[in-house]
Formats: sequence, C-alpha cells, structure tokens
Amino acid sequence: DAGVTQSPTHLIKTRGQQVTLRCSPISGHKSVSWYQQVLGQGPQFIFQYYEKEERGRGNFPDRFSARQFPNYSSELNVNALLLGDSALYLCASRLEVANEKLFFGSGTQLSVL
Amino acid sequence: GENVEQHPSTLSVQEGDSAVIKCTYSDSASNYFPWYKQELGKRPQLIIDIRSNVGEKKDQRIAVTLNKTAKHFSLHITETQPEDSAVYFCAAIISGGYQKVTFGTGTKLQVIP
Repeated sequence: DAGVTQSPTHLIKTRGQQVTLRCSPISGHKSVSWYQQVLGQGPQFIFQYYEKEERGRGNFPDRFSARQFPNYSSELNVNALLLGDSALYLCASRLEVANEKLFFGSGTQLSVL
Repeated sequence: GENVEQHPSTLSVQEGDSAVIKCTYSDSASNYFPWYKQELGKRPQLIIDIRSNVGEKKDQRIAVTLNKTAKHFSLHITETQPEDSAVYFCAAIISGGYQKVTFGTGTKLQVIP
C-alpha cells in the first residue's frame, strides 16, 4: 500500500507569494493533519481535518489555511509568504478521529527567498 | 496551550548501552503520547506509543513509561545499535473529536560503534 504522499517535494518562492501544498493520505484514512518543521525543531501542529471539516488548529496566523476534499486528500495554502515560513511541511494521516496513530509523509521543503 | 519539554537535546552512547530520553508536558488533558524516530531527510516514523491509562509499554528493545501525576514520560532504548542513531521526538496529544498535537524539540541520538 502506498503511504502518505506529498507534492511537490521541494519548492522555492519569494516573499509575498502564495503557495499550495498537496497531500494524499493512506488509502482508507479519513483524517489529515499538517505540521511545520523548522530545521532543528520538532513539528509544529498547523491543522487537522476530518471528513472535510476542521478538527484542530495550532497557533498559526490566518495566512495559513487548508481544506480537505471528498477523496480525503488535502491542500495547505500559505499566503503572503515570509522568510520565516521556510520549513519542511509535513502531512500526516490517520484512520479515524478516534484512532490517534499518525503516519507522516516525506514532506515538502519550502524555501522563501 | 500545551507545552512539551524534551531532554536531552543530544545524546551519545556506546553501542550496546541504554539510552533514555525524557519529556514533560503541561496540559493534563493530553491522553496519548507517541514517540517518533526521524532519520536525516526522512519522514518521522512512529516507534512506540502509550495512552494515559497505561503506565508502561514495551516493544522488544524499546519501552515507554508514563507518570501522569508528574506529567512526564520517557523513552528507553536498550542494547543500542548504530542504526538507532536518529532524532527522536516525543509528542503529547489531546485526542478525540478535536485533536491538539504538541511535539517536543527533539533529541539527536548518536550510537558510537
């Protein structure tokens, strides 16, 4: 079975631009969550979605938004990029809301210049 | 919000020795505590987890202990091997319909052959 897949793997943007990152969960998993991992630090929780509804939100500004589609895939959007948004963005999926085990994708490395 | 502290930030052990990594959390509502191993350039992988109604869990050379009263949990790796070298992250999760995930800052473990 395919694991969690994310695209693109690498991305370079300039300040002020907008970016969209994509995630496909493990087949059968209904919940997707997003994390920002700055080099040398632990992942920071951004959003969680289940059945297209937001079910969790971390301490990130409104420039960050996400959505989940009927096929359970998800997009993370970041507007008005700042240099500090440079990070590895990880997506994780889990089977159900009641199942806590998270399975991570390999991430999208975003560089903002 | 939840705060998770992880110690030490780096740990070097001789092959065959034991390694212990400790985390403390602040929010008593956290009820699920996973540990992830992240090798350089790779996705975080779940290695062991524990729920708040359990005090200890073991899987071969890896064990996790939880002290709910003191709000701390620890990862124990026995008979360490060079392939155990990686960054280890703990997390405290408030699970349920609305999930909140907080990761520790990571421990870089080096196992010296």
